[in-house]
Amino acid sequence: KAGVTQTPRYLIKTRGQQVTLSCSPISGHRSVSWYQQTPGQGLQFLFEYFSETQRNKGNFPGRFSGRQFSNSRSEMNVSTLELGDSALYLCASSWSGPPYEQYFGPGTRLTVT
Amino acid sequence: TQLLEQSPQFLSIQEGENLTVYCNSSSVFSSLQWYRQEPGEGPVLLVTVVTGGEVKKLKRLTFQFGDARKDSSLHITAAQPGDTGLYLCAGIHSGGSNYKLTFGKGTLLTVNP
Repeated sequence: KAGVTQTPRYLIKTRGQQVTLSCSPISGHRSVSWYQQTPGQGLQFLFEYFSETQRNKGNFPGRFSGRQFSNSRSEMNVSTLELGDSALYLCASSWSGPPYEQYFGPGTRLTVT
Repeated sequence: TQLLEQSPQFLSIQEGENLTVYCNSSSVFSSLQWYRQEPGEGPVLLVTVVTGGEVKKLKRLTFQFGDARKDSSLHITAAQPGDTGLYLCAGIHSGGSNYKLTFGKGTLLTVNP
């Protein structure tokens, strides 16, 4: 079974621009979560989508948004990029219920200059 | 406030040594997961522990969930260079369809040949 895929793997953007990241979950997984990983803050939860609806949300500003399509694929958008948004963005898919085990993709490395 | 404290942050040992890493919290979790992350990749799930006092073994890795479900430990016997990576614990609070998954900042383990 194919794993979680994320595109692009690397991205360089300028402050003030916006960016869209894409994630394809494992076949059959209907839950997709997004995380931001930085050396200082570690792995932080952004939001989770299930059946095209945002089910859970972390403590990030509204510049961070996402959506999920009917085939469970998900996109994450960051508007008005800031230098502090430079990070590894990880997508994870899982079954809909407990124990919520996360299957991660390789991540998108975003650099904001 | 960091909900999950992992210790030590860094650990460098020689091949063949034993080690233990810890994951502590003041919060009670529904379950707890351990992941390992290698450079350039997303975290990979190692184990999920659910019951207080539970012990799970995965080859040379032994995972224990505290009786009060507030803490966990990971013990590696006879470490090998292939064990090198960032070890992350994640505590889960769940209720109904809502859940919150919180990661610790990780223990970066280096096993030298």
